[in-house]
Amino acid sequence: TQLLEQSPQFLSIQEGENLTVYCNSSSVFSSLQWYRQEPGEGPVLLVTVVTGGEVKKLKRLTFQFGDARKDSSLHITAAQPGDTGLYLCAGELDNTDKLIFGTGTRLQVFP
Amino acid sequence: ETGVTQSPTHLIKTRGQQVTLRCSSQSGHNTVSWYQQALGQGPQFIFQYYREEENGRGNFPPRFSGLQFPNYSSELNVNALELDDSALYLCASSLLRQGYTGELFFGEGSRLTVL
Repeated sequence: TQLLEQSPQFLSIQEGENLTVYCNSSSVFSSLQWYRQEPGEGPVLLVTVVTGGEVKKLKRLTFQFGDARKDSSLHITAAQPGDTGLYLCAGELDNTDKLIFGTGTRLQVFP
Repeated sequence: ETGVTQSPTHLIKTRGQQVTLRCSSQSGHNTVSWYQQALGQGPQFIFQYYREEENGRGNFPPRFSGLQFPNYSSELNVNALELDDSALYLCASSLLRQGYTGELFFGEGSRLTVL
């Protein structure tokens, strides 16, 4: 059983469209991070959210941590082909100092 | 460029063989975590080393073992290779402080194929 489930698993959209990726769990996390991974490379950190209800923006990307710190979402406005990649959420279980990754969402943005 | 280097980048082994993967962590980091990533999926936590001691382990059998050296570099060893061990093995270094995992800096991975 995967601790962190992401949806959708695959997303294929046209340039300019908006999208939302969800990361859900029944466990509480002390922090949650979002990474993007491109083919042949390791994941690269986009953002860390720590407080329940926290919202962070990174240009066209908006990240939200759920009030109960069990879930998170990533919203991309006006997607660009450069946004193409594997998006991964990763949560730190309370007091474990370890990150557990989600199942991943593969995004393809067509020009 | 994360400052984390892994070797080898690609390798092919046969069932039953043993493999050693290596990772040099970023300067100033004291923790190395190893992950296994199957094609198209999220990384699965194997184990973490902090100051040369294993500091937590995921759901992997004992034939997956590791080491961390005084310079904080690390090795992942897998014995008795199975076909399902074929995957990208990612090393991530971080600075572990009390109560805070911090950002993971990943290497580009070692892609292992078991035939």
